[in-house]
Amino acid sequence: QVQLQESGPGLVKPSETLSLTCTVSGASITSHYWSWIRQPPGKGLEWIGYISYTGSINYNPPLKGRVTISVDTSKNQFSLKLTSVTAADTAVYYCARALGTGYDPFGFWGQGTMVTVSS
Amino acid sequence: QSALTQPASVSGSPGQSITISCTGSSSDVGGFNYVSWYQQHPGKAPKLMIHDVSHRPSGVSDRFSASKSGNTASLTISGLQAEDEADYYCCSFTSSYTLVFGGGTKLTVL
Repeated sequence: QVQLQESGPGLVKPSETLSLTCTVSGASITSHYWSWIRQPPGKGLEWIGYISYTGSINYNPPLKGRVTISVDTSKNQFSLKLTSVTAADTAVYYCARALGTGYDPFGFWGQGTMVTVSS
Repeated sequence: QSALTQPASVSGSPGQSITISCTGSSSDVGGFNYVSWYQQHPGKAPKLMIHDVSHRPSGVSDRFSASKSGNTASLTISGLQAEDEADYYCCSFTSSYTLVFGGGTKLTVL
């Protein structure tokens, strides 16, 4: 079955870059759309962006300019980079895969990884 | 893009039915049949319950149903059970080819 696993530092300093990787098993990264979604503590879900291996990418407008999502087909992974982080970027970060061939819905999720922005 | 509007909380007794609304605009909910609903228990990843406005993925109870009218989508849970107590989020595709979530609704089973 499709499984996703987020990995990366749990603590990032303000103004630095947050980098996370999502490792996919049970499916090829060369199909479907892959997204990052985050959830600040005690708050709701926020879509960050999606990517397909063909290079189709889109980001949440408030985060454009700070976010980059990329795919590594050789490792069956996709990644998130968020620059110039502040405390407002503290959240659980989830990676997810679309259920079908469209951009959504998010049918498969990783377990999430908590990232804290603090000095 | 603004988050879709959901009530902060709803409640119901076991066996009853509840409905959660999700209001957007003609640029998202009203413009496309790409509304999905997610259930999230504390400390867990969200789970897809409904997609494409009213379609249930395999394995989701038929107690969960959904619909859309204009710019508002709705999720109905019938025959409430204790295990339904969770947060529920709607999500819609938008005219900018982005995705937007609702603020979330906490369901309490009394």
